[in-house]
Amino acid sequence: GQQLNQSPQSMFIQEGEDVSMNCTSSSIFNTWLWYKQDPGEGPVLLIALYKAGELTSNGRLTAQFGITRKDSFLNISASIPSDVGIYFCAGYTISSGSARQLTFGSGTQLTVLP
Amino acid sequence: DAGVTQSPTHLIKTRGQHVTLRCSPISGHKSVSWYQQVLGQGPQFIFQYYEKEERGRGNFPDRFSARQFPNYSSELNVNALLLGDSALYLCASSLETGTRRYGYTFGSGTRLTVV
Repeated sequence: GQQLNQSPQSMFIQEGEDVSMNCTSSSIFNTWLWYKQDPGEGPVLLIALYKAGELTSNGRLTAQFGITRKDSFLNISASIPSDVGIYFCAGYTISSGSARQLTFGSGTQLTVLP
Repeated sequence: DAGVTQSPTHLIKTRGQHVTLRCSPISGHKSVSWYQQVLGQGPQFIFQYYEKEERGRGNFPDRFSARQFPNYSSELNVNALLLGDSALYLCASSLETGTRRYGYTFGSGTRLTVV
């Protein structure tokens, strides 16, 4: 099935460093979402973006909806140990009466070293 | 408030068997979607149900089927299991109010292992 191009695939950073990851698509989306998944759990929504160019923050997390509607990025500032996990981007486009199908990226595995 | 609940949490089945996975959405949510997440990949869309009707289906074989009940809970059925069906099966619920500013809330999933 289709997956978005998400990079990097994995990151090892020191506690306190900033992190950046991005996601690109060959298709246009009108909504971008960023999720975090811990082992054995389902994805948890971090940030939702609904408008091209939109920049939204949630605590130390900041995400942007690309102008072309084909990309998005997520920044995490001043990383802490609990930021460890897998981060997924997801996009969808609403068509009247059709399924609201999320297309996910392949994930970025983040490891924070003390 | 109870979130999205899925059962069972873990399941081991033999090739060729049938499996039924269950999902209860957040109270008030009328839409349920199913996703398959193979190890090392992002979730893949299987089905969405809204008001007990199938709204969409992903690229999965006919061995996969689902239904939604009057209380908005849902079942995912997989027949003739293959080794490749081993995955985490996720259920997500949403309000589907007609505005796109709503969120999908995922359950913790059912880990299916086919041996």
